[in-house]
Parts: sequence; C-alpha cells; structure tokens
Amino acid sequence: DTEVTQTPKHLVMGMTNKKSLKCEQHMGHRAMYWYKQKAKKPPELMFVYSYEKLSINESVPSRFSPECPNSSLLNLHLHALQPEDSALYLCASSRFGQSSGGQNTGELFFGEGSRLTVL
Amino acid sequence: AQSVTQLDSHVSVSEGTPVLLRCNYSSSYSPSLFWYVQHPNKGLQLLLKYTSAATLVKGINGFEAEFKKSETSFHLTKPSAHMSDAAEYFCVVSAVFSGGYNKLIFGAGTRLAVHP
Repeated sequence: DTEVTQTPKHLVMGMTNKKSLKCEQHMGHRAMYWYKQKAKKPPELMFVYSYEKLSINESVPSRFSPECPNSSLLNLHLHALQPEDSALYLCASSRFGQSSGGQNTGELFFGEGSRLTVL
Repeated sequence: AQSVTQLDSHVSVSEGTPVLLRCNYSSSYSPSLFWYVQHPNKGLQLLLKYTSAATLVKGINGFEAEFKKSETSFHLTKPSAHMSDAAEYFCVVSAVFSGGYNKLIFGAGTRLAVHP
C-alpha cells in the first residue's frame, strides 16, 4: 500500500473551471513533489517543496498553482487549463538532506496519481 | 551530467520464462539507482534500489538487479515471469541536490508484456 494518498483519483473539468488536486503523506518527509505524466512517457517534474517552501518550479504555466499548507499536505490548484494539460498527475515525497550521514538514499515515494481530463 | 538509457522500449516474454530489462546510466559520481514499476493507471512503485552497498540488489516480487560500474549498467532480471509482471518499468538515477531534495532522472521506460 502506498503511503502517499492522492485525491481525487479521477477529475474531469472544463477549461473555465477551478479545481484542486490534493496529496497527503504521514511519513515525516519534508520534501514533496508534483509530477505530470503523459501517456507512454516517464513522469516530468513540475514543482518541489522543501520544508513547505517552494524550491523548484520547472517553468510550469501559472494556470497550475501549488500550495503546501503544512508538512503533510500538498495541493495543486488548477485554473483555466487546456486540453493538452490532460494527464496523470503524481505526487511524491522523500526524506530531506544530503545522503551522507543521513537517511536520505535518494528515492521518492509516489502516490497512485490523479487522472485529469480537460474538456 | 546524469542520464539513463533503457535499451528496449518493449520486451515480450512467455509466462515462466526469464525477464531481462536493460539499463545503462551515465553519472559523474557514484550514483543511486532505482527501478520503479508502473501498472496501468497506477502510480510508481519502487522495485529495488542500489545505494553503493552490495552490487547485487534484491527487490520485491522476485526481481533483482546487478550494478556493474565497469559497464555502467543496472539491468533488471527475474528468473520466471508472471502474468502480473506486465507493466511499465523505469530505470532511474537519483541525486540529492544541495537544497536537500532528490532529483530523479528517468529512463524512457520499458513496457513488459507477458504471454500465457
């Protein structure tokens, strides 16, 4: 069983809608990630939060707005999306810090994903 | 710079026969390497990881991988395929950045089909 929980599993929205994707983890991880995955492709990094602060934005359009309200929760707010934004959105978490002397061995723990369809 | 090459985009095997999924990596330092599996419409599940300990790594569901530095390879094997092994497999190299987060470099993926 995955310890990263994403809701909803499926979402259908129009181009004028506002919706949110939610992600929760209780492993004490202080780094959280959003990935976008198109069919038959590997996941692409969108955002990274470290200690609830945005560390990385991979030039994602502003119609995607991430939020990290606390160390366990990560949201992705969606507004005015385009049909090409339809994809599987994956949330992940990891331990934080350099691998030497710490417990971070570099892996990410992924949720089951939210399948988004934009009409 | 780091990179990962999965040498086969599709692999097809019969149930009960061995599985070999090939991966080569490029890294300027000793890497952390992973294999993730993704079943249809599911998230990514960690199969196994190499983090500079034993070069032969055992994972879940009978999979294992051998880290060969001289060949810069990290091939995934299983002695006997099961129908439930049909999925997409990603070879991944990871780096812990100075900011403390992990950056994953994904291979393009290998789709494994298992026939009765």
